[in-house]
Amino acid sequence: GIQVEQSPPDLILQEGANSTLRCNFSDSVNNLQWFHQNPWGQLINLFYIPSGTKQNGRLSATTVATERYSLLYISSSQTTDSGVYFCALIQGAQKLVFGQGTRLTINP
Amino acid sequence: DVKVTQSSRYLVKRTGEKVFLECVQDMDHENMFWYRQDPGLGLRLIYFSYDVKMKEKGDIPEGYSVSREKKERFSLILESASTNQTSMYLCASSPGLASEQYFGPGTRLTVT
Repeated sequence: GIQVEQSPPDLILQEGANSTLRCNFSDSVNNLQWFHQNPWGQLINLFYIPSGTKQNGRLSATTVATERYSLLYISSSQTTDSGVYFCALIQGAQKLVFGQGTRLTINP
Repeated sequence: DVKVTQSSRYLVKRTGEKVFLECVQDMDHENMFWYRQDPGLGLRLIYFSYDVKMKEKGDIPEGYSVSREKKERFSLILESASTNQTSMYLCASSPGLASEQYFGPGTRLTVT
């Protein structure tokens, strides 16, 4: 099946810093999503981005499908950005395959 | 906004009990999913449903069953709860094949 690898596994930054999270995948995709899991466990949809670039406030994402990677950028980090960030891809028609996540800690 | 709700945020049950986890979505989505999340194992698909009364096994269906009698509701059933089913359970829905999935807040189930 498809393999999804995220890096780095852990990232600790000061408030105000910028960060880049990476997601590599082993096969072509027609669905890639980025999620933020908050401290209460809920998965919040950030981007649905099978290709190209999207921006939403301080967050943006780029997927280069031909090179099989996606990047999530967070600018001017805030403490509320802390949590685990997942990328996930559809395998077949339905099943989301998740990476192991990047745990981001933003210190005040 | 898409809204997916789950019946409980926290649940404590005893070994051998029958447990029902309920999930409701309000966006008329065709597809609904149940995942579980465990430390070190990530998120894994238990079952999904692509239509009323239709279901497909995911990666780890053993010990679970599901029910979808109405389009908006998808239930996960633990026939006889065991301690290895202690986990975070996440429900999701999506409008169509290979489309964006939206998750509920999750249920933390503890089986003692």
